[in-house]
Amino acid sequence: DGGITQSPKYLFRKEGQNVTLSCEQNLNHDAMYWYRQDPGQGLRLIYYSQIVNDFQKGDIAEGYSVSREKKESFPLTVTSAQKNPTAFYLCASSIGADGNTIYFGEGSWLTVV
Amino acid sequence: EDQVTQSPEALRLQEGESSSLNCSYTVSGLRGLFWYRQDPGKGPEFLFTLYSAGEEKEKERLKATLTKKESFLHITAPKPEDSATYLCAVYYTDKLIFGTGTRLQVFP
Repeated sequence: DGGITQSPKYLFRKEGQNVTLSCEQNLNHDAMYWYRQDPGQGLRLIYYSQIVNDFQKGDIAEGYSVSREKKESFPLTVTSAQKNPTAFYLCASSIGADGNTIYFGEGSWLTVV
Repeated sequence: EDQVTQSPEALRLQEGESSSLNCSYTVSGLRGLFWYRQDPGKGPEFLFTLYSAGEEKEKERLKATLTKKESFLHITAPKPEDSATYLCAVYYTDKLIFGTGTRLQVFP
């Protein structure tokens, strides 16, 4: 089945550690996104990529990094510079970035311990 | 300021009690409005895309409508399995903004 796969579903991070969230899609979509969801707030864009080997910062990119070496994959690294990383992270994709419908993965919970 | 506001924040309905959720926006140059359903601990599931005022889309008990300032998600004769958070998102110029959602609970 076509879809977006995020892993792991749950991740615990110690203070000072970097962690990487995986996102793979088999929808043949060009554009991929990372969003962060916090209680009582709308989804906020971290990074997006319209094409392989290219990506742009979103509204809250500080403390995060991404790569887009393959069309299917868009991993997100939460670095130790991110002050408040505990959140629900959502990966998404769309055919193109120009207003096309965005489809989401199942999400990853990150907790700092 | 460009904004997307959803109301109410939470809604409790008896099974079969129809109602509407609202998504109002203050952006220029709307290019698309999206509705999603999100179950607890899961990613949003796409429901509808609306592109222009007057457009309507339906799926089972759900019907989405769009005007120049707002969109409504009408739920007809809801069932307990319709319980979820409903999100709307607005695409304008080159930006996409999400509302904070309406948490719907339907009781038998």
